[in-house]
Amino acid sequence: SYELTQPPSVSVSPGQTASITCSGDKLGDKYVCWYQQKPGQSPLLVIYQDSKRPSGIPGRFSGSNSANTATLTISRTQAMDEADYYCQVWDSGTGVFGTGTRVTV
Amino acid sequence: VQLVESGGGLVQPGRSLRLSCTASGFTFDDYAMHWVRQAPGKGLEWVSGISWNSGSIGYADSVKGRFTISRDNAKNSVYLQMNSLRVEDTAFYQCAKENGKSFGYYGMDVWGHGTTVTVSS
Repeated sequence: SYELTQPPSVSVSPGQTASITCSGDKLGDKYVCWYQQKPGQSPLLVIYQDSKRPSGIPGRFSGSNSANTATLTISRTQAMDEADYYCQVWDSGTGVFGTGTRVTV
Repeated sequence: VQLVESGGGLVQPGRSLRLSCTASGFTFDDYAMHWVRQAPGKGLEWVSGISWNSGSIGYADSVKGRFTISRDNAKNSVYLQMNSLRVEDTAFYQCAKENGKSFGYYGMDVWGHGTTVTVSS
């Protein structure tokens, strides 16, 4: 089965840039979504189709995807961005989430 | 726009449970729907998805053959029939709306508040 690997944790200072990676075999051939999940809350879609932002998501969130790695970048990171982040793809009609990354601001 | 799940509870291993998710605030039959679960202290796991007209359905390997997803567009509802439940199915189950008729392209943009399933003897 397809697997997506993320770093367990990323630490960033307020105002700086956080980069969260997601690795998978030929990941660049697939569309990647990113979800933010704060404690006790439902996940929030922050990026879809590699780099598109849903309505209401700040421009500080951006995404890219190439070769075997997708990256979620949070620019000008704020305290409110502290959360778990999950990448997600579809592989042969099956949804796959990444292992998740806890971002600490 | 709202999704409300129901049907969770405590059940013994090997027994069955049926989850329901009722939608409001959007045209339900324009969108694919999913079930996603999260075991205590663990990450997200996609469980199953169904396209707008039930023409395309998918399951995670971990539930294939035991769980069945269905939808009733007249009732704005999606269901997850869970049979032969195992201890490892214990999790918080949420339904989610895909932002498109088929799944796999637009992401899950609306999530319910979830329901807890506990499988234990």
